[in-house]
Amino acid sequence: KAGVTQTPRYLIKTRGQQVTLSCSPISGHRSVSWYQQTPGQGLQFLFEYFSETQRNKGNFPGRFSGRQFSNSRSEMNVSTLELGDSALYLCASSLEGTSAETQYFGPGTRLLVL
Amino acid sequence: GDSVTQMEGPVTLSEEAFLTINCTYTATGYPSLFWYVQYPGEGLQLLLKATKADDKGSNKGFEATYRKETTSFHLEKGSVQVSDSAVYFCALSQQGGKLIFGQGTELSVKP
Repeated sequence: KAGVTQTPRYLIKTRGQQVTLSCSPISGHRSVSWYQQTPGQGLQFLFEYFSETQRNKGNFPGRFSGRQFSNSRSEMNVSTLELGDSALYLCASSLEGTSAETQYFGPGTRLLVL
Repeated sequence: GDSVTQMEGPVTLSEEAFLTINCTYTATGYPSLFWYVQYPGEGLQLLLKATKADDKGSNKGFEATYRKETTSFHLEKGSVQVSDSAVYFCALSQQGGKLIFGQGTELSVKP
């Protein structure tokens, strides 16, 4: 079974631009979660989608948004980029998104904002 | 709110040494607990997990026991190898799809 894939792997943007990141979960997984990883703040939860609905949301500003499609693929969007948005963005999938389930992570998209 | 605290790194050990990485948590309910590992340039991989008190998770020689009385989930390995060099994250989950991570502990194993 193919793992979680994320595209693109690397991205360079300038302040004020917007960016869209894509995540394809493991086949059959319906829950997709997004995390931001930075040296200063560590790993922080952004949001989780299940069956095209956002079920959980972390403490990030409204510039961070996401969506999930009927095939469970997910995208996250960051508008009006700031320097502090430079980070590794990780996507993870699980079957039903229960608290006891293992989340399987993709390799991440490294975003650099100049 | 819920939180996870890990011992700070980096931790440097010689090959075949005993490893302990401490992890304690704060949660209002009964979370599931996880250890994930991140190798350089890669995403996170599950190392082991425990979903209820007194459960022991184990994998690749690593072990951790869910201790509700001390709110802890310490990671141990009897004999580390150079290939174990990585960053280790302790995490908890109470809400579906949401992991709360500790700050990570970098382990370096020297031959």
